[in-house]
Amino acid sequence: ETGVTQTPRHLVMGMTNKKSLKCEQHLGHNAMYWYKQSAKKPLELMFVYNFKEQTENNSVPSRFSPECPNSSHLFLHLHTLQPEDSALYLCASSHGRNTEAFFGQGTRLTVV
Amino acid sequence: GQNIDQPTEMTATEGAIVQINCTYQTSGFNGLFWYQQHAGEAPTFLSYNVLDGLEEKGRFSSFLSRSKGYSYLLLKELQMKDSASYLCAVNDYKLSFGAGTTVTVRA
Repeated sequence: ETGVTQTPRHLVMGMTNKKSLKCEQHLGHNAMYWYKQSAKKPLELMFVYNFKEQTENNSVPSRFSPECPNSSHLFLHLHTLQPEDSALYLCASSHGRNTEAFFGQGTRLTVV
Repeated sequence: GQNIDQPTEMTATEGAIVQINCTYQTSGFNGLFWYQQHAGEAPTFLSYNVLDGLEEKGRFSSFLSRSKGYSYLLLKELQMKDSASYLCAVNDYKLSFGAGTTVTVRA
């Protein structure tokens, strides 16, 4: 248990569905991140929020839409995904940009 | 851009020592992290180096040479539970990860 909770743990969705991933941290961190982890590839940074403001969008397709209503919660809204979007989506948080990130368990997403 | 390289796989025997190397070329540098990730689990923080030299934490040590763009993670007295993927990550105001090194510990 790292203090970062992600739901759901597993998600199967069709290409026309709309779903959301949720991340919650109770560590008092001000920075939150979404990462994508595909098999045999490095963790890819998708979005960064610092004090609820998006500070980084790593050229992520618009079918992924993040939302950060407060510094404890982060969402990733998904719509019209492609099969190649199937991956493990990890949320992380940290005190600032120069401290270690704490990761959630991830959501294993399968797009069919 | 970022280029972070580490070996894909390593195998070692229980009780042995394994050294995982990481080389990086990044546009900025504000520290290097090592994470451990067991299959199906979240990455967990192992170590952080921002200055040159060796940081020791029990059975795990991490070394950094900024001038060479090089780090290593040393795992001593290997145990079966150390079988996992080890991720090198460079902080240039965002964390950029290597692809990870899968370490298999054999009895």
